[in-house]
Amino acid sequence: DAGVTQSPTHLIKTRGQQVTLRCSPKSGHDTVSWYQQALGQGPQFIFQYYEEEERQRGNFPDRFSGHQFPNYSSELNVNALLLGDSALYLCASSWGHLATNEKLFFGSGTQLSVL
Amino acid sequence: AQKITQTQPGMFVQEKEAVTLDCTYDTSDPSYGLFWYKQPSSGEMIFLIYQGSYDQQNATEGRYSLNFQKARKSANLVISASQLGDSAMYFCAMRPIYNQGGKLIFGQGTELSVKP
Repeated sequence: DAGVTQSPTHLIKTRGQQVTLRCSPKSGHDTVSWYQQALGQGPQFIFQYYEEEERQRGNFPDRFSGHQFPNYSSELNVNALLLGDSALYLCASSWGHLATNEKLFFGSGTQLSVL
Repeated sequence: AQKITQTQPGMFVQEKEAVTLDCTYDTSDPSYGLFWYKQPSSGEMIFLIYQGSYDQQNATEGRYSLNFQKARKSANLVISASQLGDSAMYFCAMRPIYNQGGKLIFGQGTELSVKP
């Protein structure tokens, strides 16, 4: 049973460029959330996708956008990259509209470096 | 504002001993869920334990237990019989009940090192 998979594992970009990160949820899961984890910090919620729509959004600018496909996989797009966007980007999946106690399953992340 | 505070940036424990990782939270919501995750150097966040704000008993999952003190707004993680493989970052997180979504609010984390 495959867990949450993310690609690529590492990425190097320059300021002003655009980047796309990809996530395949755990088998049987239909909801995907994205988190940004800066070095030495806890993860911060970016947004959540369910039924191909953005359902919740954290305090991130419009440069961060996403998409969910019919097979439940998801993409995170970041435009006009800034140095401060350098971080580990984590994808988490779950099933359905979450109950309070629903745990999230995380991937190993994509390490993005902006030079 | 909702916030998770972990005041121990790093902790050391001897193998086979117990260790407590501190977590305090701030919320005005009447109901919420509290989680602990482990993050090894591979980067993946691994779920350890969950405590609901209305749960009468403290949660336990194998060697992990949660010391939940609602009045003090604390949710400390206790790891018994530490193993070398327990060396990792540990994050406390909260989900407000109104949210019912993917949003977890995480603390800054505690780095645990287990000594042989």
